[in-house]
Amino acid sequence: QSVLTQPPSASGTPGQRVTISCSGSSSNIGSNYVYWYQHLPGTAPKLLIYSNNQRPSGVPDRFSGSKSGTSASLAISGLRSEDEADYYCAAWDDSLSGRVFGGGTKLTVL
Amino acid sequence: EVQLVESGGGLVQPGGSLRLSCAASGFTFSTYWMSWVRQAPGKELEWVANMKKDGSEKYYVDSVKGRFTISRDNAKNSLYLQMNSLRAEDTAVYYCARDYGPKLGIDYWGQGTLVTVSS
Repeated sequence: QSVLTQPPSASGTPGQRVTISCSGSSSNIGSNYVYWYQHLPGTAPKLLIYSNNQRPSGVPDRFSGSKSGTSASLAISGLRSEDEADYYCAAWDDSLSGRVFGGGTKLTVL
Repeated sequence: EVQLVESGGGLVQPGGSLRLSCAASGFTFSTYWMSWVRQAPGKELEWVANMKKDGSEKYYVDSVKGRFTISRDNAKNSLYLQMNSLRAEDTAVYYCARDYGPKLGIDYWGQGTLVTVSS
C-alpha cells in the first residue's frame, strides 16, 4: 500500500474538468512540496506540476495543482483524449528519509 | 535538451547482480541530485534511491538498503545503480531521473531499462 493515497481511477468526457486527489500525512505532503507526473506505459514520466502548484514551461494551463494541509489535488480542465494516462503524485517524506509516490490514478477519457 | 539514457538491464537469476548505468546530457550533471525510480509490471512508480551532486548524501528505500548502491561519476556525466542479491520482486523498469533533492522533486526522466529477475 502506497504512502500517498490516490483514487485508482478517474474519468470524464472531452471538455470536462476532472480532479485527482492525493492524501498523505504531516511527514510528507504536510511539510514538503508535492509534484505531479503524467505517465504513459512504456514512456518516460512527464512532470506536470512542481512545488504544489507550479507548471513547467510547455505544460498547458489546463493542468493545475493545489495543496491544503496533508492533501493535494491535480485538476485537468478542458479534458482531451490525449490526457488519457496514469497520473502520480509524489513528495519527500521526512520520517522515511525518502521520496514517496501515490498509487497512481488511471484517467480515462470517455 | 535534457537527455537521460539508461542501460544495463536484462535477465538475471535470483541472488545475482546487475549494474545499471545512466548517461546524462544537456545539463550540468555535477550540479544536480540524481535518482533511480522503478516500476514493477502493473504496479505504481517506486522511488529507489537518490544521491547528492557531490556524492556526500545518499538515500534509499528500505526494501533495497544493503543490497543496492547508487553512485555517480561527474567527469563522465554518469549515474549508476549496483544491484546485488536480486529478488524476483526487484523485477521492474528502472528509470534514471534528475532530482532537486530532499524536500523537492524530480523533473526529467529517462526512458527506462527493464530488469527481470527470474530463474
